[in-house]
Amino acid sequence: GAVVSQHPSWVICKSGTSVKIECRSLDFQATTMFWYRQFPKQSLMLMATSNEGSKATYEQGVEKDKFLINHASLTLSTLTVTSAHPEDSSFYICSARGDRGPDQPQHFGDGTRLSIL
Amino acid sequence: DAKTTQPPSMDCAEGRAANLPCNHSTISGNEYVYWYRQIHSQGPQYIIHGLKNNETNEMASLIITEDRKSSTLILPHATLRDTAVYYCIVGAAGNKLTFGGGTRVLVKP
Repeated sequence: GAVVSQHPSWVICKSGTSVKIECRSLDFQATTMFWYRQFPKQSLMLMATSNEGSKATYEQGVEKDKFLINHASLTLSTLTVTSAHPEDSSFYICSARGDRGPDQPQHFGDGTRLSIL
Repeated sequence: DAKTTQPPSMDCAEGRAANLPCNHSTISGNEYVYWYRQIHSQGPQYIIHGLKNNETNEMASLIITEDRKSSTLILPHATLRDTAVYYCIVGAAGNKLTFGGGTRVLVKP
């Protein structure tokens, strides 16, 4: 149980294009999902908290107009990197918290490796 | 959320128990201790979590000191596939997780 699926796993695109990443909780409902970014040889950095049916909460320094988050259902959150540039190249990872109690851990997807040329 | 301190790296022998320490001296009464690991190029994998009692599951055991200022993750029989970065994270239930540097564990044959 508690499987989180992330798609795509790998994407390469040209500078200036927008890229959408999907995060799905496959066997549980997730009112809250989280989006992280990880640069090479660094730890995960939280970008934003995605709440179903409401606006996402962004961490300090993360541009909300650059990284659009939509959490339209209890099993799906999307992250859109708008007008992507080479400095946006990174490993993007989502997580969702289980629905069996307040202390349930977050479960992570396998990440999306984004390369902007 | 309270911060944690972990050794940056450690080596373990295959087949032996691996004991991973974590200090969290500023932990609050309502904060849990969560352990995750990240194998190269994958998302973090949940291992175990606890509040104040010791916990055990099919992957590992978590030993939390009585004053809750430190904990130890025990992998009972380390295998080469346990080579990963292990993260100890402290946080209140339902809150966001703040990842530190973790411990890079290398299991050697």
